[in-house]
Amino acid sequence: EVQLVESGGGLVQPGGSLRLSCAASGFTFSDYWMHWVRQVPGKGLVWVSRISRDAISTAYADFVRGRFTISRDNARNTLYLQMNSLRAEDTAVYYCARDPDRRGYSFKDSWGQGTLVTVSS
Amino acid sequence: DIQMTQSPSSLSASVGDRVTITCRTRQSIRTYLNWYQQKPGKAPKLLIYAASTLQSGVPSRFSGSGSGTDFTLTINSLQPEDSATYHCQQSYSTPYTFGQGTKLEI
Repeated sequence: EVQLVESGGGLVQPGGSLRLSCAASGFTFSDYWMHWVRQVPGKGLVWVSRISRDAISTAYADFVRGRFTISRDNARNTLYLQMNSLRAEDTAVYYCARDPDRRGYSFKDSWGQGTLVTVSS
Repeated sequence: DIQMTQSPSSLSASVGDRVTITCRTRQSIRTYLNWYQQKPGKAPKLLIYAASTLQSGVPSRFSGSGSGTDFTLTINSLQPEDSATYHCQQSYSTPYTFGQGTKLEI
């Protein structure tokens, strides 16, 4: 069974840092691109970042570029999101999702349950 | 960035009805369009990718169509479990933007 389990969320003060993790199991992690998507409760989905299978290629939404860093450890089947200089507007549920990148099409065919990040003093 | 305009923002329908949700972009994204279903408190679930390809395990009453700038998600013979929020997302270029979502009440 495919499983993606996020962890690392919590309450942090503005300007602080958090590192989110996403533990993958039930599939060959290194075969998939991976993404982070966030959602303010009651609002829409917002794409945050993605990383290629070999971690060579990364991409970010403008509002996190320079503050967030996506990475992965294929030996540990784990995806990460290092979040620095956090702002109140970064408060959201953060989901990791896998992407088979089939025939050049990017889509997220499995998602974690999400981890809540709250940025507040 | 590619802006996604999804409509309607909400709709109400009855069991057995057919509903259509649309997603539009200002520039062509060919068929790089995905649809997701999300129920309250749950993660999104993939329904359709590449505009019209049904994800494995998704009921055939769901279908997607369109290319270029106009896309449609159609749900035939609505079931109570289809009550959810539906999101479109373009995967033509990063940032992979989402529509604002359509809340469907049955």
